[in-house]
Amino acid sequence: EAGVAQSPRYKIIEKRQSVAFWCNPISGHATLYWYQQILGQGPKLLIQFQNNGVVDDSQLPKDRFSAERLKGVDSTLKIQPAKLEDSAVYLCASSSRQGGDTQYFGPGTRLTVL
Amino acid sequence: GNSVTQMEGPVTLSEEAFLTINCTYTATGYPSLFWYVQYPGEGLQLLLKATKADDKGSNKGFEATYRKETTSFHLEKGSVQVSDSAVYFCALSDPGGSYIPTFGRGTSLIVHP
Repeated sequence: EAGVAQSPRYKIIEKRQSVAFWCNPISGHATLYWYQQILGQGPKLLIQFQNNGVVDDSQLPKDRFSAERLKGVDSTLKIQPAKLEDSAVYLCASSSRQGGDTQYFGPGTRLTVL
Repeated sequence: GNSVTQMEGPVTLSEEAFLTINCTYTATGYPSLFWYVQYPGEGLQLLLKATKADDKGSNKGFEATYRKETTSFHLEKGSVQVSDSAVYFCALSDPGGSYIPTFGRGTSLIVHP
């Protein structure tokens, strides 16, 4: 079974530029998560999708971050414009359902904003 | 809101030593509890989980027991190996909180030969 795929693996941009990350979850997984992991901290949930609907986006900085999951499969996360404090690893995870179910994580995208 | 508190790292041990990493939580409902592990250069992966009080999760010699009375889920292993060196994350998923997952800060474990 293929795992969660993310691209790119690394990205370096200058502040005020835009960037987009892509995630393809495990086939058949209804729930998809985007996390921000700053160095030395645990993952912080940005947005959670159930199929193509948003379950929670309370910690997503909506003035600059956006995410979509068209057709309930793969997803993109965009930052526009980027700030220095957005430097982090962006993790995508999926699970077959909400609740007490195992999340499967992708390798992450390491973003550096200069 | 929900929260997970882990002991500060790094935890440094010699091979075959006993390991405990403390984790306590705050939740509005009756959460499921997880330990995830991140080996160097890899993504997070599930180590073990427990979905109700008094359940014990176990995997690869690691164990953790869901203690509702102390709101804890401490990770233990009787004899660590160098290959256990990694960052360990405690996490919860709370049905009273719409199943939004919450992670701790992570605890780095370094095992010396």
